Amino acid sequence: AQKITQTQPGMFVQEKEAVTLDCTYDTSDQSYGLFWYKQPSSGEMIFLIYQGSYDEQNATEGRYSLNFQKARKSANLVISASQLGDSAMYFCAMSLNAGGTSYGKLTFGQGTILTVHP
Amino acid sequence: DTAVSQTPKYLVTQMGNDKSIKCEQNLGHDTMYWYKQDSKKFLKIMFSYNNKELIINETVPNRFSPKSPDKAHLNLHINSLELGDSAVYFCASSPDGGWFWQFFGPGTRLTVL
Repeated sequence: AQKITQTQPGMFVQEKEAVTLDCTYDTSDQSYGLFWYKQPSSGEMIFLIYQGSYDEQNATEGRYSLNFQKARKSANLVISASQLGDSAMYFCAMSLNAGGTSYGKLTFGQGTILTVHP
Repeated sequence: DTAVSQTPKYLVTQMGNDKSIKCEQNLGHDTMYWYKQDSKKFLKIMFSYNNKELIINETVPNRFSPKSPDKAHLNLHINSLELGDSAVYFCASSPDGGWFWQFFGPGTRLTVL
């Protein structure tokens, strides 16, 4: 069974600075995908970035990058140049590229609340 | 044009009632999901359907019954509602299972009194 751990319940960052949100995962599968989602106070779930287990390059999407360290089983999210609108809950998630009952199942971490100070 | 829509957005009901939440996606995706987010914000999958076929059925009480009339719709019916069913329910869709990211609906906040 897969497991995602986010050890930072809350993080604070100054506007325009960079911040790293930690995520570690546990699976015995070799093929998997790692995802980050943002949930603002309005409640919707917004997809941010994806990393496949076989991808050699770290994923980047605008100000978001995923620091993927396969041997350490970590998939940290880096947000550069933080903005006030980045204040939200952030979830790390994993999906196995497997058939059967794991098909497409996203397993989520506990989430990290990010607060950006002006 | 909303990609994944859910109705209603808010649902307040009494214990013991039966209620339904509807979900529709206009993305042409093959796979749809129901997730439950509890009061501590923890998200857990409940069901997934691929092309109207049930794929994932996590340990969910029999009172919860998903129904997929076509691949664009996945509804959730809940019988005999209990206090512990109070949560936010999210519908999501993806082109396929596996590594595709999932697009989430806006969520339905269910409150059982």
